Amino acid sequence: AQSVAQPEDQVNVAEGNPLTVKCTYSVSGNPYLFWYVQYPNRGLQFLLKYITGDNLVKGSYGFEAEFNKSQTSFHLKKPSALVSDSALYFCAVRDMGGTYKYIFGTGTRLKVLA
Amino acid sequence: DVKVTQSSRYLVKRTGEKVFLECVQDMDHENMFWYRQDPGLGLRLIYFSYDVKMKEKGDIPEGYSVSREKKERFSLILESASTNQTSMYLCASSTRDSSSYEQYFGPGTRLTVT
Repeated sequence: AQSVAQPEDQVNVAEGNPLTVKCTYSVSGNPYLFWYVQYPNRGLQFLLKYITGDNLVKGSYGFEAEFNKSQTSFHLKKPSALVSDSALYFCAVRDMGGTYKYIFGTGTRLKVLA
Repeated sequence: DVKVTQSSRYLVKRTGEKVFLECVQDMDHENMFWYRQDPGLGLRLIYFSYDVKMKEKGDIPEGYSVSREKKERFSLILESASTNQTSMYLCASSTRDSSSYEQYFGPGTRLTVT
């Protein structure tokens, strides 16, 4: 079965420091991977995706993610965190088993401290 | 910009009531999804639809049904609301275009069943 794991419920980082939010996945075949962000009382917003190509993917708001096939990871990164980056972040993988389903991780709450 | 709208942001219903949640998207997307979001559990797929009048069960369909009579509209129905259906409900849509698999989410409906 395909799955996504976000091992950290919460990540705290000081403003201006680099941040990493971790995601590992388990799929059969080539993965389609996504990161979404959710601000309080809002729906999820798409940040970036990996379909194929370069392992380093750049997305919205200065975020990037590195696809690592050998470690089955897709960690979200940003070189310099902002207080406004504080939100709930979800990693997701698209089911490649012939359906249009997506599997989401449980979410990681990022708190950027001023 | 893609817009996904949901009929209510907040809803309070009584146990046993029939509840309708409506979702409309304006980008002619083929696929539409209903999720529920609970703390610590991430997003769980209730139902999805890949075409008008087509529907597929997700991971937690019990107690729910759906309707898709028009391409832009996807309704979630709670036949007899129960307190364990108190949750945040998120609608999403996506295209089948292989270059653009990301989902677009509505703002969510926070349903409380008393």
